[in-house]
Amino acid sequence: AQSVTQLDSHVSVSEGTPVLLRCNYSSSYSPSLFWYVQHPNKGLQLLLKYTSAATLVKGINGFEAEFKKSETSFHLTKPSAHMSDAAEYFCVVRRGGSQGNLIFGKGTKLSVKP
Amino acid sequence: EAQVTQNPRYLITVTGKKLTVTCSQNMNHEYMSWYRQDPGLGLRQIYYSMNVEVTDKGDVPEGYKVSRKEKRNFPLILESPSPNQTSLYFCASSLYSWVPMNTEAFFGQGTRLTVV
Repeated sequence: AQSVTQLDSHVSVSEGTPVLLRCNYSSSYSPSLFWYVQHPNKGLQLLLKYTSAATLVKGINGFEAEFKKSETSFHLTKPSAHMSDAAEYFCVVRRGGSQGNLIFGKGTKLSVKP
Repeated sequence: EAQVTQNPRYLITVTGKKLTVTCSQNMNHEYMSWYRQDPGLGLRQIYYSMNVEVTDKGDVPEGYKVSRKEKRNFPLILESPSPNQTSLYFCASSLYSWVPMNTEAFFGQGTRLTVV
């Protein structure tokens, strides 16, 4: 069965410093992995998705994630945090078969200090 | 503009009073689903639909109903709401359910429901 574990419920960084949001996954086959972002009182927006074409995936707003099969990880990074990055981030794996639903991690709330 | 539209955005209701949350997408997507978001639990799937007249239970279906009479619409029905259904609800759509596996989902803006 597929699952994802986000290792930090809350991460706080200073503006201009790097961001690392950690995610481990569990899957019996090659997973479909995504990162979504949710800004306060907003819906969910896709940041990036793993397509198996490349292990380093670039997304919007300067975010990227690296798929590491040996470590079953899909950590999200950004070299330099901006105040507008403050939001909740979800690591997501797609369940296989006809149900095909997205299985969400519990979320990591990112705070950015000036 | 491609979008998923939910209504209403906010709703306060009383226990037992039937309500419907509407969801509509304009992307001709086959697959639609409903999720609820609760603090510390992430999002969990309630129901999904692979196409018109094809619906099935997700992970937390108790107390909910859905229908898919048209491709674009996928309403969520609470026949007799209870306080434990107070939550933030999201409708999502994607082109397919599982082919290809990396098909992204598009989400509505959410409906915050309070049942008192």
